[in-house]
Amino acid sequence: RKEVEQDPGPFNVPEGATVAFNCTYSNSASQSFFWYRQDCRKEPKLLMSVYSSGNEDGRFTAQLNRASQYISLLIRDSKLSDSATYLCVVNSGGYQKVTFGTGTKLQVIP
Amino acid sequence: EAGVTQFPSHSVIEKGQTVTLRCDPISGHDNLYWYRRVMGKEIKFLLHFVKESKQDESGMPNNRFLAERTGGTYSTLKVQPAELEDSGVYFCASSQGLADTDTQYFGPGTRLTVL
Repeated sequence: RKEVEQDPGPFNVPEGATVAFNCTYSNSASQSFFWYRQDCRKEPKLLMSVYSSGNEDGRFTAQLNRASQYISLLIRDSKLSDSATYLCVVNSGGYQKVTFGTGTKLQVIP
Repeated sequence: EAGVTQFPSHSVIEKGQTVTLRCDPISGHDNLYWYRRVMGKEIKFLLHFVKESKQDESGMPNNRFLAERTGGTYSTLKVQPAELEDSGVYFCASSQGLADTDTQYFGPGTRLTVL
């Protein structure tokens, strides 16, 4: 079993739709969780950290469920510019050693 | 403020040759990381420097890979001799602190193709 698992997609959604991605992690000792966004042939960029209480940044909401060992990302009112690959990233120990999921590809269509 | 930079952006070499990748972290960032993404796979951790010291090199695939960070500024990653399976995108990242929540900023990557 992979340490971090994501549905690779692609998720094809119309503009304005709400879309949600889940990511599961296997290490129950994991402490920090992140969503990164990666555009085609570009570097990953931090979208948001995921906190225990859940957090929201504009149209984006991240949730953490420790009991079931998954994190989620909800995107409301999808824009064409949201099209990208969304990477789930988990830190399982000190010194920021992180494990990436394979990413979920989102395509927002007009 | 300049971001993380990497050089070259692309490299095409033949099997058995040597290639050296360079990463310049964000100024003032003590932590520097190397990652690799091979075709169709997830991005994988290679190693982590704190200043000039290797904090964790558990992700280095084998002894054909050598990373250095002399002086605690820029870092190089040398592959010698390169093999076909080394092809992929090599990312460098840097962060300021060591807290789990400290953001890692990624460079644009070096796309390595070994023929």
